Amino acid sequence: AQSVTQLGSHVSVSEGALVLLRCNYSSSVPPYLFWYVQYPNQGLQLLLKYTTGATLVKGINGFEAEFKKSETSFHLTKPSAHMSDAAEYFCAVSEAGGYQKVTFGTGTKLQVIP
Amino acid sequence: GAVVSQHPSRVICKSGTSVKIECRSLDFQATTMFWYRQFPKQSLMLMATSNEGSKATYEQGVEKDKFLINHASLTLSTLTVTSAHPEDSSFYICSAGQGKNNEAFFGQGTRLTVV
Repeated sequence: AQSVTQLGSHVSVSEGALVLLRCNYSSSVPPYLFWYVQYPNQGLQLLLKYTTGATLVKGINGFEAEFKKSETSFHLTKPSAHMSDAAEYFCAVSEAGGYQKVTFGTGTKLQVIP
Repeated sequence: GAVVSQHPSRVICKSGTSVKIECRSLDFQATTMFWYRQFPKQSLMLMATSNEGSKATYEQGVEKDKFLINHASLTLSTLTVTSAHPEDSSFYICSAGQGKNNEAFFGQGTRLTVV
């Protein structure tokens, strides 16, 4: 069975500081990995995804994540936080290497301090 | 990316009544749709998977007689919460995709409040 662990339910960073949101996964098959962002009372927006190939994945809004198989990690980073980045972020893994039936982590709420 | 529209975005209903939530794929045919529920300060939990023209597959612990799912066409799936109770109050989100190897896209969610 697949699972996702997000370390830290709340993360606070100063505006302009590095954003690092941690995600570790468990999957019995090569995973597809995702990061989604959710703004208050809104649905999910895909930030980026890893399927196969290059392990460093670039997404929207300046975010990127690196798939590290040896560490079973897919941490999300952004060099410089903006106030608009304040939201909840979900790491997710899909079943059997496909895009569907996604299992989500518990989420990390990012606070950006001016 | 493709567009998935969910309606309504918010609904308040009285305890004991039924509520229908629609999930539409606007610019593609969705062979599979997924329904998730998100309780406050928790992650999304998959409730059921619906394939067009067949019965939905429910996750363990989800009452299929309470949460009726219909996927009658390739662009529309509906979730009906029957005899709603306050504990059913939650954020419901659908996603739609064209197949296992095609990305599933999320709707904007429906905030259900049962009073």
